[in-house]
Amino acid sequence: SFELTQPPSVAVSPGQTATIACSGDRLGDKFVSWYQQKPGQSPVLVIYRDTKRPSGIPERFSGSNSGNTATLTISGAQSLDEADYYCLAWESSSSGAFGGGTKVSVL
Amino acid sequence: QVQMQESGPGLVKPSETLSLTCIVSDDSISANNCYWTWIRQPPGKGLEWIGSISYTGKTYYNSSLKSRVTVSGDTSKNLFSLTVTSLTAADSAVYYCAKGYAPACGGDCLDEAYFESWGQGSLVTVAS
Repeated sequence: SFELTQPPSVAVSPGQTATIACSGDRLGDKFVSWYQQKPGQSPVLVIYRDTKRPSGIPERFSGSNSGNTATLTISGAQSLDEADYYCLAWESSSSGAFGGGTKVSVL
Repeated sequence: QVQMQESGPGLVKPSETLSLTCIVSDDSISANNCYWTWIRQPPGKGLEWIGSISYTGKTYYNSSLKSRVTVSGDTSKNLFSLTVTSLTAADSAVYYCAKGYAPACGGDCLDEAYFESWGQGSLVTVAS
């Protein structure tokens, strides 16, 4: 089955850069989207089609995807960026997978 | 901005069938390139794609759940639904409905979709 792997947690100091990796077989050949989820809330789309930001998402969020790894970068992390982050990709139309999620702590 | 609201029973007994509905407002489930989707999240765990119905009415299912899951749509009421049979405790989760979108694709292309809007979620507990 198609699987995506993320680190369980990432810690970053305020104002520094957080990078979250998502790895999967030939992931660079697929479109990846990223979702932010704060406690008790529904997920929110922060990056789609590898690098694109929806309207209303701050510029400090960026994405890349190459080889077997996609990366979400938060430049100048703020306390309000503390959340769980999930990547999503599709192997086929019957095999969509979320990564296990990464808890970002800003401290 | 689309609004989506899940509704369901909250508590269901093991071996029974779960039925959830997602009412869609300010958008149409027939809108081009859209994929109306169910996603679940067990307490304290990650997200799992369950299944989707496209704007053409084509359905797609997670292969691990396909034998127990049905997603259907009602264009007259602008809603879509999820049925899960043979429930166990492992099916206890928050169930989200979401709007998937694949704008650059001319046909049925769920494998290019991303989820741009989500409902608030409906907590389902499977217990006797």
